[in-house]
Amino acid sequence: DAKTTQPNSMESNEEEPVHLPCNHSTISGTDYIHWYRQLPSQGPEYVIHGLTSNVNNRMASLAIAEDRKSSTLILHRATLRDAAVYYCILRDNTGNQFYFGTGTSLTVIP
Amino acid sequence: NAGVTQTPKFQVLKTGQSMTLQCAQDMNHNSMYWYRQDPGMGLRLIYYSASEGTTDKGEVPNGYNVSRLNKREFSLRLESAAPSQTSVYFCASRWGFEQFFGPGTRLTVL
Repeated sequence: DAKTTQPNSMESNEEEPVHLPCNHSTISGTDYIHWYRQLPSQGPEYVIHGLTSNVNNRMASLAIAEDRKSSTLILHRATLRDAAVYYCILRDNTGNQFYFGTGTSLTVIP
Repeated sequence: NAGVTQTPKFQVLKTGQSMTLQCAQDMNHNSMYWYRQDPGMGLRLIYYSASEGTTDKGEVPNGYNVSRLNKREFSLRLESAAPSQTSVYFCASRWGFEQFFGPGTRLTVL
């Protein structure tokens, strides 16, 4: 069974904020929430991660629900270079088991 | 730094043939991983190596073997390829919470 569920696709206008949701209702207390993105014909690249508190970095923000059963990746101003598949991932506390969802394909409209 | 490199980029095998996918990283990371990505799906972990000299199974290890040759290199071997192993294979290494992925090997088994 999938550990994370995400919408298959989303669209956003350029320079507008994008909220990418993820459900992970079976998350355990020690699982970290990671987000990676994958550009066409490339390997995934790290975006952001968190455990319980909301997180910000130069690429994005991560909002984690209080019960930790869902999270949202926020891109503050979408650019054409942000068009990619975004994966919500649970990582176990050993740091070695990463469980990818099926991802959300983000289209950015100029 | 080249980061994570994989060879070959493309490979076509016949059912029953064997081959080894090569992966190397020049970032002095301890942990390395092999994933497979089937069309329209997220990545699934095949095997990982938390440190030189150790390897462990991931979600989908059947039909594969791995060797952690030294700290830099982690190879994946298919002893008797099957059409179900047609996929894109990604190698990654990890530093702290972040995984760094190679460009992938696209394998087709006829």
